[in-house]
Amino acid sequence: AQSVTQPDIHITVSEGASLELRCNYSYGATPYLFWYVQSPGQGLQLLLKYFSGDTLVQGIKGFEAEFKRSQSSFNLRKPSVHWSDAAEYFCAVDPNNNDMRFGAGTRLTVKP
Amino acid sequence: DVKVTQSSRYLVKRTGEKVFLECVQDMDHENMFWYRQDPGLGLRLIYFSYDVKMKEKGDIPEGYSVSREKKERFSLILESASTNQTSMYLCASRPGQGFMSSYNEQFFGPGTRLTVL
Repeated sequence: AQSVTQPDIHITVSEGASLELRCNYSYGATPYLFWYVQSPGQGLQLLLKYFSGDTLVQGIKGFEAEFKRSQSSFNLRKPSVHWSDAAEYFCAVDPNNNDMRFGAGTRLTVKP
Repeated sequence: DVKVTQSSRYLVKRTGEKVFLECVQDMDHENMFWYRQDPGLGLRLIYFSYDVKMKEKGDIPEGYSVSREKKERFSLILESASTNQTSMYLCASRPGQGFMSSYNEQFFGPGTRLTVL
């Protein structure tokens, strides 16, 4: 079945440490790929997106993501996490330029 | 900046009530969406609309209906609320094909947390 998988439900990192959030998808062709962030009590904000071209995508707030076709992955990274990054992160794919499918989300906790 | 607003942040209703959730966007977007968000399940698409008077079922339309009488407004209706519809509801909008650089990006409202007792 076609799906978007975020294997980590909850991740805890120390402030200043690096971060990687995983996302895998199972669609036939390369879909459009997105990462959104949701702060407590807020809607979703787009961090970055991939349509084509360079497989390393830069986003807002110091985040980046790398598309790996061979692994059907689009992992989100940040070299040094700040306390304000504590939030829930959603990977999303748009397989047919029509509607979006979301992963279950990864909740990030940042330790001081 | 694109702004998507939802009529209520928190709503408490009783089983069997008819519930209206309103969403308004101010960017003249053609496409609008309603999702529900539940822990461990992410966002699931309920209904979407590509234009005024048009609507399409998403993945979980049962128990819901929608209305889009004006381009900027997309309403989600729970005809007879049930406890299993307690959830966070998120509205989103997206430009149509005339804005290719941002065609796929959806802009979200702050959400309405609905509790059905």
